[in-house]
Amino acid sequence: EPEVTQTPSHQVTQMGQEVILRCVPISNHLYFYWYRQILGQKVEFLVSFYNNEISEKSEIFDDQFSVERPDGSNFTLKIRSTKLEDSAMYFCASSEGGRSISYEQYFGPGTRLTVT
Amino acid sequence: AQSVTQLDSHVSVSEGTPVLLRCNYSSSYSPSLFWYVQHPNKGLQLLLKYTSAATLVKGINGFEAEFKKSETSFHLTKPSAHMSDAAEYFCVVSPVKAYSSASKIIFGSGTRLSIRP
Repeated sequence: EPEVTQTPSHQVTQMGQEVILRCVPISNHLYFYWYRQILGQKVEFLVSFYNNEISEKSEIFDDQFSVERPDGSNFTLKIRSTKLEDSAMYFCASSEGGRSISYEQYFGPGTRLTVT
Repeated sequence: AQSVTQLDSHVSVSEGTPVLLRCNYSSSYSPSLFWYVQHPNKGLQLLLKYTSAATLVKGINGFEAEFKKSETSFHLTKPSAHMSDAAEYFCVVSPVKAYSSASKIIFGSGTRLSIRP
């Protein structure tokens, strides 16, 4: 069964450093998403992406964040200058969208980001 | 605005007894509703979804949920709990139908289900 994959599974970085989290969505999906879950808190929406542009973003997704689909398979989340409060589990998701009714979002296993 | 409320942060049941995880939603549109499960140190797995077809939805691992518009509820149930059901469960609302642009989904705060032997 196709699945969303994410790398790395765990990333440790120092405050102020740039990190790139990588995701490979399911191949025929058109819509891509990033969410994050701070330890002990609910899963929060960051951004959605379709047709090579951001569809929607939350207040969390400020200028420090960016997303990119550099090729036909990868979808990346970049944090330019990490802060301690960016420590969280980051989930990538994808959905078919379009005229398909199968628009549920399929989630990857997550990347645990630890900022020290 | 759309929101989802999970009424219990923690539910503990004995193995073999029924499970009830409660969820109420608020949506300006006809919502699509989902339950996701997260096992420790794992990702989010879709348990079941409601998309305006049958109001009683069956999912994986013996779980089911009933959409009740009059009560704005989408409670998750299972007749007989198994030890492997211990996990965090999230009720999720998607306010926009399929075939529209990418739509964020909104998570409830989660319910941790513990199973006593």
